[in-house]
Amino acid sequence: DQQVKQNSPSLSVQEGRISILNCDYTNSMFDYFLWYKKYPAEGPTFLISISSIKDKNEDGRFTVFLNKSAKHLSLHIVPSQPGDSAVYFCAASAVGGADGLTFGKGTHLIIQP
Amino acid sequence: EAQVTQNPRYLITVTGKKLTVTCSQNMNHEYMSWYRQDPGLGLRQIYYSMNVEVTDKGDVPEGYKVSRKEKRNFPLILESPSPNQTSLYFCASSAGTGGTRPQHFGDGTRLSIL
Repeated sequence: DQQVKQNSPSLSVQEGRISILNCDYTNSMFDYFLWYKKYPAEGPTFLISISSIKDKNEDGRFTVFLNKSAKHLSLHIVPSQPGDSAVYFCAASAVGGADGLTFGKGTHLIIQP
Repeated sequence: EAQVTQNPRYLITVTGKKLTVTCSQNMNHEYMSWYRQDPGLGLRQIYYSMNVEVTDKGDVPEGYKVSRKEKRNFPLILESPSPNQTSLYFCASSAGTGGTRPQHFGDGTRLSIL
């Protein structure tokens, strides 16, 4: 049973426009959500996170929105730049969870010039 | 520089030949874990460790062993590798569990088991 779902394997966006990456989850015990970015031949790197007590967190061009009632979060990148082309993983951790993060399958974002 | 170092980065070997992938972190992190990444499946946790001498199974532990004798090192051991363990492996560390302490990942080890 997949607890964190990223239903779009890939997304193509024109440079300068907004990129919106989506993530759904099923476990209501998740209390923290993170986005990681991964380039080929490198490990994932932390991008931005949000606590379940918030509905929005912003860091420069990156904003994460959380809709707890819908069990949905999204990552907005504005404006999109060529260096944003990467695989983005949504991840979640549970209240009191000792076993770390549960990851989605990832979305490959391609920024078109 | 804060980092998680994995070795080797690439390895091609044969079924049944024991191998170890080393992982070392220089951030004095208590929490370490191993993931494997497979096409269409994302990152799945193999084992994790909350501190020295404390390890536990993740989602896909079958065929793997780990040890945590020192805080900085967390090797992944495949006693008798099989082709279905061909994958991209990542080691990660963090100051603690939970999302408030994001995990730092190594650059990965690509294993091919023939």
